[in-house]
Amino acid sequence: KAGVTQTPRYLIKTRGQQVTLSCSPISGHRSVSWYQQTPGQGLQFLFEYFSETQRNKGNFPGRFSGRQFSNSRSEMNVSTLELGDSALYLCASSADGMNTEAFFGQGTRLTVV
Amino acid sequence: QQQVKQSPQSLIVQKGGISIINCAYENTAFDYFPWYQQFPGKGPALLIAIRPDVSEKKEGRFTISFNKSAKQFSLHIMDSQPGDSATYFCAASKGSGSRLTFGEGTQLTVNP
Repeated sequence: KAGVTQTPRYLIKTRGQQVTLSCSPISGHRSVSWYQQTPGQGLQFLFEYFSETQRNKGNFPGRFSGRQFSNSRSEMNVSTLELGDSALYLCASSADGMNTEAFFGQGTRLTVV
Repeated sequence: QQQVKQSPQSLIVQKGGISIINCAYENTAFDYFPWYQQFPGKGPALLIAIRPDVSEKKEGRFTISFNKSAKQFSLHIMDSQPGDSATYFCAASKGSGSRLTFGEGTQLTVNP
């Protein structure tokens, strides 16, 4: 069974640009959560999608958004990039997001210059 | 504020020794407490998890001890091996797959 797949693995963007990251969950999983990992702030929850609906949202500005498609694949978008957005962005999939474990992808390393 | 405090920040253990990492949480609504292991360049991998209706759970060399009244839980790695060298994160959530609140992480080094 394939794991969680995140693309691309690495990205370099310029301040002010926008970026879209993609996550394909484990087959059959309907919940996708996104996390930001930085050395200073650690692992922080961004948002969770379940059945194409945002079910939970963390404390990030509106520049961070996401969506989920009918096949459970998810994308997150960051607009007007800032240097502080440089981070490892991790996606986690769970069968239902409530009673089953979350499994992480390898992440997308975003560098903003 | 929903927080999970983790200690120590770093830990050095000799091969064959016991590694112990501790976490404390504040939100009594949390009902799921997993531990994740992360190697450089990889995403966190689920190691072991516990729910508050049990005080201890063991899987191979990894044991979680849970103290509900103290709102603390810990990870014990028995017979630590150099391959265990990684960063370990505790986490907590209400419900197992959604909105994990992570501790700060512990960088474990096991010397051969």
